[in-house]
Amino acid sequence: GAVVSQHPSRVICKSGTSVKIECRSLDFQATTMFWYRQFPKQSLMLMATSNEGSKATYEQGVEKDKFLINHASLTLSTLTVTSAHPEDSSFYICSALRLFAGTGSTDTQYFGPGTRLTVL
Amino acid sequence: RKEVEQDPGPFNVPEGATVAFNCTYSNSASQSFFWYRQDCRKEPKLLMSVYSSGNEDGRFTAQLNRASQYISLLIRDSKLSDSATYLCVVNGDTGNQFYFGTGTSLTVIP
Repeated sequence: GAVVSQHPSRVICKSGTSVKIECRSLDFQATTMFWYRQFPKQSLMLMATSNEGSKATYEQGVEKDKFLINHASLTLSTLTVTSAHPEDSSFYICSALRLFAGTGSTDTQYFGPGTRLTVL
Repeated sequence: RKEVEQDPGPFNVPEGATVAFNCTYSNSASQSFFWYRQDCRKEPKLLMSVYSSGNEDGRFTAQLNRASQYISLLIRDSKLSDSATYLCVVNGDTGNQFYFGTGTSLTVIP
């Protein structure tokens, strides 16, 4: 399978600070990456679709000015949680879409290990 | 109606049992189907893609029924390590649009 890394794995910050999370596809290029959030015992919730070289597409109810996404290269997307508050504490997971055009295989998402954010 | 629906379970089965999960999807145009497993406090990991002809990987068999719009996952000879949440994923109208089921919780009991 493909490898996607995420950094940091865990972060604790004070309310009002900003936190940047990096998502990297290590062994393939990803035009498209996804950012998810998951609260305890709940389902994954898609926050936004990150497209290399263009603006991210945010899901309804996700504030684009609060969750800044930058996808400046084919292997790196970053999510910045600005002015974090305790209610932003969650498990943030990215995924990278690996394309298999012409190979007979299906374009597939591979997930990073996640970042656990705690805002005090 | 949700794009993807799964029975949340929980399914509690003894070791060695066979267990099957189903997942229904609403978009008849969907072309890509997947099963992921997610362990507690971890990221989802790809278990297998689901192909039209069905596919098998060891103790795991996935099938697609386009007429009834569902996919299934069969686990034979369950192991304790199979305990996890199993997520059904189906693509949408565009190539980079995917819909996740809420997951089915499986616990394999010694």
